[in-house]
Amino acid sequence: GQNIDQPTEMTATEGAIVQINCTYQTSGFNGLFWYQQHAGEAPTFLSYNVLDGLEEKGRFSSFLSRSKGYSYLLLKELQMKDSASYLCAVRDSNYQLIWGAGTKLIIKP
Amino acid sequence: GAVVSQHPSRVICKSGTSVKIECRSLDFQATTMFWYRQFPKKSLMLMATSNEGSKATYEQGVEKDKFLINHASLTLSTLTVTSAHPEDSSFYICSARSMEGQDWETQYFGPGTRLLVL
Repeated sequence: GQNIDQPTEMTATEGAIVQINCTYQTSGFNGLFWYQQHAGEAPTFLSYNVLDGLEEKGRFSSFLSRSKGYSYLLLKELQMKDSASYLCAVRDSNYQLIWGAGTKLIIKP
Repeated sequence: GAVVSQHPSRVICKSGTSVKIECRSLDFQATTMFWYRQFPKKSLMLMATSNEGSKATYEQGVEKDKFLINHASLTLSTLTVTSAHPEDSSFYICSARSMEGQDWETQYFGPGTRLLVL
């Protein structure tokens, strides 16, 4: 079966750095996405990785290792507004998005 | 960036009635739209994939006669929840994929519709 694992919840301090991990087992791989979802709102796109390595976009970076079935989202200089759920999604061989359950990130002052 | 709207944002209805939710791509044409359902603190669950001018493809376990999807144009898809029951109460989110999408094909999400069936 297809499976995406990410921690249920994480807590970090304002101004710090946090890494949210995602491991996946899917039938084929055609890219990995990270989305941010604030409570009661729809997801918004953060990043996309299809090749191994690190993609940096401002305070957010995303890393992919296809051989390990592993990705992480790195958030730097955390702000209170970063409190949200972060969803990892993998596009499989049928170009369907398989979603993780999301990681709820709590930022404390 | 691409904008997707949903209407209504929130709806309360009585059990047994039908509810229609609209999903529109405002500044791009979407050949494909997706309908998701999300329960509190749960991940997105894909219900169906809607292609303009053709019948929607439903995921396993989703009743196509209960969740009617129409994708009549390149900018509009509708989801109708027929004979709604309290267990249909959920957060329904649509997303659209642009015709001009790059090969990494981002899905742009609507703001969601919160349905409460009494």
